[in-house]
Amino acid sequence: DVKVTQSSRYLVKRTGEKVFLECVQDMDHENMFWYRQDPGLGLRLIYFSYDVKMKEKGDIPEGYSVSREKKERFSLILESASTNQTSMYLCASSSTITSDLYNEQFFGPGTRLTVL
Amino acid sequence: TQLLEQSPQFLSIQEGENLTVYCNSSSVFSSLQWYRQEPGEGPVLLVTVVTGGEVKKLKRLTFQFGDARKDSSLHITAAQPGDTGLYLCAGATSGTYKYIFGTGTRLKVLA
Repeated sequence: DVKVTQSSRYLVKRTGEKVFLECVQDMDHENMFWYRQDPGLGLRLIYFSYDVKMKEKGDIPEGYSVSREKKERFSLILESASTNQTSMYLCASSSTITSDLYNEQFFGPGTRLTVL
Repeated sequence: TQLLEQSPQFLSIQEGENLTVYCNSSSVFSSLQWYRQEPGEGPVLLVTVVTGGEVKKLKRLTFQFGDARKDSSLHITAAQPGDTGLYLCAGATSGTYKYIFGTGTRLKVLA
């Protein structure tokens, strides 16, 4: 069974702390994504990685960085957490196939981060 | 920035009723997906449509891609409590593996 796992379901941090969110997929997918989900705003792409050590900014990268040292693992880093980064964070992966038709994204269960 | 607007944002209906959710954009997409997300879980893909005017059916759910590939609709016939969840549309433009997600429609079906 395909699986995307995230290191924590719930996380509470203080303003200014460095926060690491880890995501692991077991499907040998090339693409991995980090989104944040806020009510009424849907999912907004933070960063995207299409290969090991490769990354591309999404729509809202400010305040975040990412690391992809191994194909199966994609980390999201909040260098100095702020209260406006309180949100649900979702990781996803997809395969690289020429046709968009099969680019299903498989999502993890999410990490609900609260920054106090 | 491309935007995908969904309407309505919230919908609460009785079991057995029909409903339609809309997903609209001013941008043209090469493909469009619909996902459903249940509480405590990540979104799960329901369908992908790629051809303008395409209609796909998944049991009681009917998905349509607009002729101009700028909009889509999801119609649920005889809704059931198990249909409760957040419905998200997501569009991709040609040449990218990134999808733009819509604002979401939260559906509650009452028994």
